[in-house]
Amino acid sequence: EVQLVESGGGLVQPGGSLRLSCEASGFTFSSYDMNWVRQAPGKGLEWVSSINTNSKNRHYADSLRGRFTISRDNAKNSLYLQMDSLRADDTALYYCARLASVSGHAQDYWGQGTLVTVSS
Amino acid sequence: QSVLTQPPSVSAAPGQKVTISCSGSSSNIGNNYVSWYQHLPGTAPKLLIYQNNNRPSGIPDRFSGSKSGTSATLGITGLQTGDEADYYCETWDNTLSAGVFGGGTKLAVL
Repeated sequence: EVQLVESGGGLVQPGGSLRLSCEASGFTFSSYDMNWVRQAPGKGLEWVSSINTNSKNRHYADSLRGRFTISRDNAKNSLYLQMDSLRADDTALYYCARLASVSGHAQDYWGQGTLVTVSS
Repeated sequence: QSVLTQPPSVSAAPGQKVTISCSGSSSNIGNNYVSWYQHLPGTAPKLLIYQNNNRPSGIPDRFSGSKSGTSATLGITGLQTGDEADYYCETWDNTLSAGVFGGGTKLAVL
């Protein structure tokens, strides 16, 4: 069974940092591109970042570039999101998602999310 | 403001059919596959449609997708109260080099 379990969320002050983790199981993690997606309170889904299988291709939402860094460790079946210079509007539930093996950008499995709250 | 435009809400009676539109441009929908997701806030989104009109295993054929030019549509027939959720279209934007979601559509089954 495919499972994605996020962790690392919490309360952080504006300007602070957090590192989110996503542990994958039930599939060959190294064979799949991965995404982070977030949902702020009362808002819709927002794509955050993606990384390909060998970490050579990484993409970020314009509003996040330079503050967030996506990475992965295929040996540990884990995906990460380093978030720096956090702002109040980064408050959201952060999901990791697997990109389906078919062409296109479909995300076929999602975790339950980890909540990040940025507040003083 | 989202790159992809969806109606904020749609509604229909149980057993009826509803369609949800998703409008984009040549840099996203016009040249890439569209996916659709069902989402209840606080839970994991569920993939309903991939590659414009394909259903993952386990998704009933009451759900369908189509694409024409720079727009895509999700159709749901035989509406059930359990279909009440938020629905999102999503694709890749070649100009932004980023994934993009629609703003989401809340479905009410009255």
